[in-house]
Amino acid sequence: DIVMTQTPLSLSVTPGQPASISCKSSQSLLHSDGKTYLYWYLQKPGQPPQLLIYEVFNRFSGVPDRFSGSGSGTDFTLKISRVEAEDVGVYYCMQSIQVPFTFGPGTKVEIK
Amino acid sequence: EVQLVESGGGLVQPGGSLRLSCAASGFTFSSYAMTWVRQAPGKGLEWVSAISGSGGSTYSADSVKGRFTISRDNSKNTLYLQMNSLRAEDTAVYYCAKGVNYLPIYGIDYWGQGTLVTVSS
Repeated sequence: DIVMTQTPLSLSVTPGQPASISCKSSQSLLHSDGKTYLYWYLQKPGQPPQLLIYEVFNRFSGVPDRFSGSGSGTDFTLKISRVEAEDVGVYYCMQSIQVPFTFGPGTKVEIK
Repeated sequence: EVQLVESGGGLVQPGGSLRLSCAASGFTFSSYAMTWVRQAPGKGLEWVSAISGSGGSTYSADSVKGRFTISRDNSKNTLYLQMNSLRAEDTAVYYCAKGVNYLPIYGIDYWGQGTLVTVSS
């Protein structure tokens, strides 16, 4: 199975300041079709996960442009340019290039 | 608007069975893969099982293989998860999730609200 790791596991951020989360996979997520199957989700308290970023850097419909994704191969990053109070929750990366899909352990983001 | 509504969760004894359903609307159901993901209380997300748009291909985690069966009825826009031989470690909120495309490899975009399954005597 592909192992996904995230750092840090928790983050406390002042509103308006940037935040960055790293996600690493134990194998390359680059498919032979040229796409990289890495996704970012945010699970707000008491809610199901919601898709933020698909295929490394594509923002999903309705996601604010303060969220951005980058990376390649096995190393990926989610950045929030200016954290807002509504961004609190747990952020997960996920790979879907290989079954079983696997998630990172999650990064809990809190507001200072 | 995509809507996914899970049902069928509840309290069941170890060794028992349960069938979860997920009613989908707002998209052409048969054109998209579907997935079940679970989350044990206070824990992270665990992929359980996925099925292609036609239902012809299914995939399951080793932890549930031989016990859980994913299926779909495209005429009813409904996804199912038949869970047998349930164990305490299967206790979790089970989320139904819509695939980005016809095959599961393309990831997940929308999630339902989840249904809680508790396995306890």
